[in-house]
Amino acid sequence: NAGVTQTPKFRILKIGQSMTLQCTQDMNHNYMYWYRQDPGMGLKLIYYSVGAGITDKGEVPNGYNVSRSTTEDFPLRLELAAPSQTSVYFCATLIRGAGTDTQYFGPGTRLTVL
Amino acid sequence: AQSVTQLGSHVSVSEGALVLLRCNYSSSVPPYLFWYVQYPNQGLQLLLKYTTGATLVKGINGFEAEFKKSETSFHLTKPSAHMSDAAEYFCAVSRFTSGTYKYIFGTGTRLKVLA
Repeated sequence: NAGVTQTPKFRILKIGQSMTLQCTQDMNHNYMYWYRQDPGMGLKLIYYSVGAGITDKGEVPNGYNVSRSTTEDFPLRLELAAPSQTSVYFCATLIRGAGTDTQYFGPGTRLTVL
Repeated sequence: AQSVTQLGSHVSVSEGALVLLRCNYSSSVPPYLFWYVQYPNQGLQLLLKYTTGATLVKGINGFEAEFKKSETSFHLTKPSAHMSDAAEYFCAVSRFTSGTYKYIFGTGTRLKVLA
């Protein structure tokens, strides 16, 4: 059981380039999230999905897009990379229990835009 | 609106000393509260959580936290620090809104353990 996997681990982009950050889970969780983590800022929600075909914006969606064609995959796309998008990106899933919920995080993708 | 405040972005303790990481929250409804740990170059890992019931919650690696509604606090403690506890710790509150559970994270506290 791999849990939540993210690729790539590291990437350097030039301004204006595009890329897709991959996130895959094998736990059959409906809820999936993308966060960015900046030093001293905690985690900010970019986009989330409550199931295949359903996505919505979080706190900081500008400059990003997502899709959710399957339960397993939730890719995050940067169309025109900007230095402000230099960050560490985490994908997470959520399991719902009786009166509770727990998120599981991937290992992260460290992105630098120069 | 919900929010989470972690007091102290950096905390240093000696090995064997008490660890106390502070978290205060604001919420208009009974919150679900969480502590996560992040080791260097890794994702976040759940340490413990409070949903309902007993206000003293025990987690992994000897950590525990107490939910105090009157103080709107959820401080994380460990009686005796170990070198392996050096990491960044995040407090979070979750709520169900717009059809999903959303988490609000604090800005994190980096714990340093001195030999």
